[in-house]
Amino acid sequence: AQSVTQLGSHVSVSEGALVLLRCNYSSSVPPYLFWYVQYPNQGLQLLLKYTSAATLVKGINGFEAEFKKSETSFHLTKPSAHMSDAAEYFCAVSENYGQNFVFGPGTRLSVLP
Amino acid sequence: GAGVSQSPRYKVAKRGQDVALRCDPISGHVSLFWYQQALGQGPEFLTYFQNEAQLDKSGLPSDRFFAERPEGSVSTLKIQRTQQEDSAVYLCASSQASGRHDEQFFGPGTRLTVL
Repeated sequence: AQSVTQLGSHVSVSEGALVLLRCNYSSSVPPYLFWYVQYPNQGLQLLLKYTSAATLVKGINGFEAEFKKSETSFHLTKPSAHMSDAAEYFCAVSENYGQNFVFGPGTRLSVLP
Repeated sequence: GAGVSQSPRYKVAKRGQDVALRCDPISGHVSLFWYQQALGQGPEFLTYFQNEAQLDKSGLPSDRFFAERPEGSVSTLKIQRTQQEDSAVYLCASSQASGRHDEQFFGPGTRLTVL
């Protein structure tokens, strides 16, 4: 069965600092991987997705993630945090052949001035 | 509107009441999903429709939960005899194609509080 873990339920960074949000997955087949962001009282918005093309995926708002099969990881990074990046971030995995879309528990990012 | 909409945005129910939550997906989207998001948790899959067909309801926590999409567009999630543990945000998402790995567009959710 597929699953997602996100290390760190809460991450704080200073404005302008590097953002690193960790995601590890388990999957019996090559997965599709996603990062979603959720702002307060809003729905989830797709940041980026990996669909077996390039292993380094660029998304919106300056975020990117790298798929590392050997580490079963799909960590999200941004070189320089902005105050508007403060939100909840969810990693999700979807296997081929119509399996469930599984979300991780989320990481809340705080950006300090 | 261009996005997924859900109504009501907030619902307070007394334990034992029935509730109905509505989802209007993006026009033309084939797939529709319902998720339950408890406080401080990630969304958990409830059920999936492809057009009007409910292809997977394995995530529904009990037989008190029922979902339908009779005309392949609007969907309703019904919870009968609500319990306190049903308190959560219920998210609806739709996607254009029939594969579950396609991008899902989420609505703002309905926050259900059962007293």
